[in-house]
Amino acid sequence: DAGVIQSPRHEVTEMGQEVTLRCKPISGHDYLFWYRQTMMRGLELLIYFNNNVPIDDSGMPEDRFSAKMPNASFSTLKIQPSEPRDSAVYFCASSLAGARTDTQYFGPGTRLTVL
Amino acid sequence: TQLLEQSPQFLSIQEGENLTVYCNSSSVFSSLQWYRQEPGEGPVLLVTVVTGGEVKKLKRLTFQFGDARKDSSLHITAAQPGDTGLYLCAGYKMDSNYQLIWGAGTKLIIKP
Repeated sequence: DAGVIQSPRHEVTEMGQEVTLRCKPISGHDYLFWYRQTMMRGLELLIYFNNNVPIDDSGMPEDRFSAKMPNASFSTLKIQPSEPRDSAVYFCASSLAGARTDTQYFGPGTRLTVL
Repeated sequence: TQLLEQSPQFLSIQEGENLTVYCNSSSVFSSLQWYRQEPGEGPVLLVTVVTGGEVKKLKRLTFQFGDARKDSSLHITAAQPGDTGLYLCAGYKMDSNYQLIWGAGTKLIIKP
């Protein structure tokens, strides 16, 4: 079975440009998570969805960040406008059902560099 | 301030040595998980511990959940270069919504 799929794997853009990251969760998983990982701050939860509905977006840094999940098999994270401090690896993860023992399955990540 | 404190942050040892990584908190967790992350990849689950005092073994890796469910440890016996990676602990808090709380990670390098 395919795992979590993310695209692109690498993105280099200039400050002020719009960036869209994409994720396809594992089929049948009810939860989808967007994380950001940096050396300084580690792994940070940005937002998560349950059955395509955003549940907690308190980790979204500011209004420049937005996330959508139009259906069970696709989600996007958009940054507009992008800034150099947004440079990080962005991960999408999915999990099955909502039990407090669930495994989170991560995609390979998108490495974003904002110049 | 990290809700889950991992120590050490970085460890570099020779192949064949033993090591222990710690994950501590003042909060109680429903369960704690350990993930390993290799360069260019996402974290991958190693184990989930649920019961206070629980010990789980995965080949040369031994995981323990504290009796009070506030801490956990990962012990590696006879470390090998293939154990190199970033080890992350994560837990589901007893009184919070459905999200994992993550430690900052321990970067482990095993030299041949």
